[in-house]
Amino acid sequence: EADIYQTPRYLVIGTGKKITLECSQTMGHDKMYWYQQDPGMELHLIHYSYGVNSTEKGDLSSESTVSRIRTEHFPLTLESARPSHTSQYLCASSASGGGSEKLFFGSGTQLSVL
Amino acid sequence: DAKTTQPNSMESNEEEPVHLPCNHSTISGTDYIHWYRQLPSQGPEYVIHGLTSNVNNRMASLAIAEDRKSSTLILHRATLRDAAVYYCILRPNDMRFGAGTRLTVKP
Repeated sequence: EADIYQTPRYLVIGTGKKITLECSQTMGHDKMYWYQQDPGMELHLIHYSYGVNSTEKGDLSSESTVSRIRTEHFPLTLESARPSHTSQYLCASSASGGGSEKLFFGSGTQLSVL
Repeated sequence: DAKTTQPNSMESNEEEPVHLPCNHSTISGTDYIHWYRQLPSQGPEYVIHGLTSNVNNRMASLAIAEDRKSSTLILHRATLRDAAVYYCILRPNDMRFGAGTRLTVKP
């Protein structure tokens, strides 16, 4: 029932490469989020968007950038990947409203930078 | 920082009830209390939410204190598949998850 998709599921890449992690949702949600999570650790908010052409940085200092050109699409880009970027990246979305709207998460992208 | 506090870990025996507490002393009148859980190697999934009244669904029950400064997620009969990290957050404005409670279920 969660119509939010992340690709790729796993990515192994060399240092210095540019990568884009894809996140798409078909629910028409205005709000979208990116979280970073290391094994056994907390989810850290790195970017969020409340609608088209709206993006904000989260709490965790991140060298990644995001864009929101279409409602359904919220890609995350690393211009030059480094081993310190190795982590799981989770995308989420929710409708706008008074607070009863559920958060839906994708399955995540596990990134390994060698 | 997250606006909620939860114990880092809890243990339960299989088929016994589990009560997972959450404190949210700074909750505003319009905040909804949401619970999510994260199974190993997966993204978090929605469990239940409520505003003032206790709530039940097929997964769990949510008991909300009268002053709304705390809540308890109740799993009526824990199974091994319920072993996960459980998070409570306040919506719509809170998008930050704390460390959650890691629930271990023993056979």
